[in-house]
Amino acid sequence: QVQLVESGGGLVKPGGSLRLSCAASGFTFSDYFMTWIRQAPGKGLESISYISSISTYTNYADSVKGRFTISRDNAKNSLYLQMTSLRAEDTALYYCARATTWTCNTGTCRLGGSDYWGHGTLVTVSS
Amino acid sequence: QSVLTQPPSASGTPGQTVTISCSGSRSNIGSNTVSWYQQLPGTAPKLLIYTNNQRPSGVPDRFSGSKSGTSASLAISGLQSEDEADYYCAAWDDSLNGLFFGGGTKLTVL
Repeated sequence: QVQLVESGGGLVKPGGSLRLSCAASGFTFSDYFMTWIRQAPGKGLESISYISSISTYTNYADSVKGRFTISRDNAKNSLYLQMTSLRAEDTALYYCARATTWTCNTGTCRLGGSDYWGHGTLVTVSS
Repeated sequence: QSVLTQPPSASGTPGQTVTISCSGSRSNIGSNTVSWYQQLPGTAPKLLIYTNNQRPSGVPDRFSGSKSGTSASLAISGLQSEDEADYYCAAWDDSLNGLFFGGGTKLTVL
């Protein structure tokens, strides 16, 4: 069965860095776009980044652009999120999710739904 | 202010049909597909509907989605107590070049 397991969260000071990982199993990882979605405590969902199946395309929300970097290692069935210059407003539960549908043309891709989600890893940015 | 607008709350009694709306614009719902998610307390979101009206395997047919113009709706028929959860719509926005979620609707089963 499909499993996504996030790790790497924790408490970090403002301005610090953290690297999140997501270990995937139960499906052909290299066939799918993958995404990171976060949820601040008591708040709604925010899609922050996606990466295409062979890393050709990436996309970032304005709130994290220039500070976060998404990557993947298909040989290790793993997804990553390198987070730098962390701010208090980055405090959230970070989910990795598998994209269900996507369409690409003229150098950009649009994501549809995400059918499998991990349980999330909590990132707390506080001094 | 979310790109996609949902009512903050909805309610119904067991057996009723409840509809949750998701309002957007030409650049998101008007041009792209809509998905819907259910988030039970303390758990990760679960995909209920993708591509406007498609249900993943395992999702009961009590859940249905529709889209018209720049709005979408999720209908839950035969409401059950276990349907009490937060519900989110999502769609790609061509102008903002990103995937956006609605603010969420908290469904209460009375």
